[in-house]
Amino acid sequence: GQNIDQPTEMTATEGAIVQINCTYQTSGFNGLFWYQQHAGEAPTFLSYNVLDGLEEKGRFSSFLSRSKGYSYLLLKELQMKDSASYLCAVRPAGYSTLTFGKGTMLLVSP
Amino acid sequence: NAGVMQNPRHLVRRRGQEARLRCSPMKGHSHVYWYRQLPEEGLKFMVYLQKENIIDESGMPKERFSAEFPKEGPSILRIQQVVRGDSAAYFCASSPPLNYGYTFGSGTRLTVV
Repeated sequence: GQNIDQPTEMTATEGAIVQINCTYQTSGFNGLFWYQQHAGEAPTFLSYNVLDGLEEKGRFSSFLSRSKGYSYLLLKELQMKDSASYLCAVRPAGYSTLTFGKGTMLLVSP
Repeated sequence: NAGVMQNPRHLVRRRGQEARLRCSPMKGHSHVYWYRQLPEEGLKFMVYLQKENIIDESGMPKERFSAEFPKEGPSILRIQQVVRGDSAAYFCASSPPLNYGYTFGSGTRLTVV
């Protein structure tokens, strides 16, 4: 089976940097994804990691360590519009489907 | 390209009625996935389909729920004899054959009264 853990809530200040952690246990591994979901809206794709290391995309970066079953999403220069839920998802080896964590609700305050 | 289209956006059903949720994948996407999201819960996988084939339905309740993706037309998630516990947001996602991630639709919010 799969188990994905991420913090339930985080708060941060506009302009700051925040790191959202995700740990996972899967039977095999074939990629880790981060999605952003605003309340009442569809999840939107942020990043994909399949090899160890850091992937940078503008203000957002995602890191993966397969040996530790660990990933983080780093958000820089936070803006109010970054207030949303951030979902960590894993694709087990041999599967096309994604297994999602419960998400981390990030609240950015002025 | 209009993206993944789901309809209706909101659906209200009385207990015992049937709910039909539709999903048209993005152009060029042949894989469709249905997920359910309850308040304070993550997205839970239900079923994975390709045209005319159910590939994985391990997340689908064995009774009252069914899904199809016909050769022509949208994918349909059908819930028969709905109960209050079926109230949730149902998201459809699609991906191309080389699957590096999903594109989600805006979801259908089902309320059972």
